[in-house]
Formats: sequence, structure tokens, C-alpha cells
Amino acid sequence: EAGVAQSPRYKIIEKRQSVAFWCNPISGHATLYWYQQILGQGPKLLIQFQNNGVVDDSQLPKDRFSAERLKGVDSTLKIQPAKLEDSAVYLCASSLIGLSYNEQFFGPGTRLTVL
Amino acid sequence: DAKTTQPPSMDCAEGRAANLPCNHSTISGNEYVYWYRQIHSQGPQYIIHGLKNNETNEMASLIITEDRKSSTLILPHATLRDTAVYYCIVSLYGGATNKLIFGTGTLLAVQP
Repeated sequence: EAGVAQSPRYKIIEKRQSVAFWCNPISGHATLYWYQQILGQGPKLLIQFQNNGVVDDSQLPKDRFSAERLKGVDSTLKIQPAKLEDSAVYLCASSLIGLSYNEQFFGPGTRLTVL
Repeated sequence: DAKTTQPPSMDCAEGRAANLPCNHSTISGNEYVYWYRQIHSQGPQYIIHGLKNNETNEMASLIITEDRKSSTLILPHATLRDTAVYYCIVSLYGGATNKLIFGTGTLLAVQP
């Protein structure tokens, strides 16, 4: 079974530039998550989608971050404009949906460095 | 904020059992305990979860105290590949509430 795919794996940009990350979840997984992981910290949930609808975006800095999941499959996270403090690993995860516990499967992440 | 407290780091000798503690004194009756781990440069990986009974799977065992205020993850025979950050998380169960709030975890270093 193919895992969660993310691209690019690494990205270096200058502050005030824009950047986009792409995620393709495991086939059939209705729920998709974007996390931000700053060095030395645990992942922090930015946004959760169920199919193509947003379930939770309370931690997403909406003045500069945006995310979409058109057609309920793959997803894009964008930062515009980037700040130095956005340097982090951006993780995408997916899970099934149902009444039982559904394990979250994580991708390898995209490491963003903002100079 | 994370609802759990874990030691920042632990060492374990290869082949020995690794016992990772977690305190969750404010856990509510309908919250489960979940464990994930994150190997360097990879995304987190699910290990195990439980409500109040002890649980075991092919990766680990989870021991939850009777008052549910703490738990221990046991890796019975640690290998070098078990070196990782281990996260203990309390959360509701299933469906759209499948939300994980990660703390800083415990860095387990398995020594040869």
C-alpha cells in the first residue's frame, strides 16, 4: 500500500516570498491533516479536512497560510508571504473516517527554510 | 497545550525492555491514551492506544493505571531502530474528533 506522498522534500526561500506544498493522501482516506513541526517541538495541527471540507482550521494563521483540498483527494498548503518563523517541517497525514479509531498515517514532510 | 507530561529523554540498552512513562492526571473519562513515535527525519508513526485496559500489539504493550492518571509504554526488546521520539497523547476517540495534540515527547536512545 502506497503511503502519504509529499513534495517537495526540501525548500529554501527568502522571507516575503511565497511557497506551496503538495500532499497526496493514502487512497480512500477521507480525512487529511496538515501539521507544522518546529525544530525541537512536536507537530502542531494547522488544518484538518474531511473530504473537501474544513473540519478544523483554528490554528492556521489565515493572514498568510491557506490550504485547499479540491475534489477531496490531494491537497496544497500555501504560505504567502513567508516569515522567518515559518521555518519548520510541514507534515501531511491522512486517515479513514468512522466510529472506530482511525490511525493517522504521516508523510515524510517538507522541510522549509526561510532566509 | 498537551495534556501529558513525559521525561525529555531516556536511555535503554539494546535487547532490554524500554519503559516509557507518561502522566495524564487531567484525563477525562471518554479520552483515550495514544502513543506515536517519530524516527529522525520521518513523520510520526502510530504505535498503540487504550482506554483503561492494558493493550498489546506486535510493536508494544500499554499499561494504564487503574485511576488512568498515568501510563507506561513498554517496548519488550528494544533495538537500535527503536531510537526515536515517543509521544504520549490523550484524545477523544474516532470520527471527526480524531485530533492529536503533540507535546515534546521522550527521546529514547537505544544504546548498543
